[in-house]
Amino acid sequence: DAGVIQSPRHEVTEMGQEVTLRCKLISGHNSLFWYRQTMMRGLELLIYFNNNVPIDDSGMPEDRFSAKMPNASFSTLKIQPSEPRDSAVYFCASSLGDPGDTEAFFGQGTRLTVV
Amino acid sequence: AQSVTQLDSQVPVFEEAPVELRCNYSSSVSVYLFWYVQYPNQGLQLLLKYLSGSTLVKGINGFEAEFNKSQTSFHLRKPSVHISDTAEYFCAVSGDRIFGNEKLTFGTGTRLTIIP
Repeated sequence: DAGVIQSPRHEVTEMGQEVTLRCKLISGHNSLFWYRQTMMRGLELLIYFNNNVPIDDSGMPEDRFSAKMPNASFSTLKIQPSEPRDSAVYFCASSLGDPGDTEAFFGQGTRLTVV
Repeated sequence: AQSVTQLDSQVPVFEEAPVELRCNYSSSVSVYLFWYVQYPNQGLQLLLKYLSGSTLVKGINGFEAEFNKSQTSFHLRKPSVHISDTAEYFCAVSGDRIFGNEKLTFGTGTRLTIIP
């Protein structure tokens, strides 16, 4: 398997524009996590899904952020409208969902810059 | 609620010297513990994990960690570091899915710098 695949790797956009980040899970995994990494706040969990259902979205900063899982292998994180403070590296991770093992596999990340 | 504390934000170590990166956690339920490594401009890669059983866990690249329940610690160690170990190291904790606590909570990270 190619691992968790995120696209794009880099995104530069103007304030006010819509941004969509994409993530393809590892085949057979059924839990999906979106994290944001910044120097100031470190790694923050934004939202996670299990079997396509959002379980915990308490980390989503505000209504400008939304995440979906249209199918078992794909997820999107959308920011509309984007603001400069959204600049960060966004990671997607997936796990097998085995009750005895919660190891998460991370993608390479999307570096978002909002100017 | 779960939390992780990594007291050392930066650790400089001479090449071939031993290193210990400290991690303490807080959780009201049984935990799973992880150490991840992040190289520059890369995602996070699992070094090792503690799920159950032996408290001494061996991982990749010669790293090991010991789970100490009484001290709520999971310190990472390596007896002899190499230049290639320069990276950011993250300790993380999760609970069990059956309790709805499968999400990983990360510490703030420790930047390990190896000095030639």
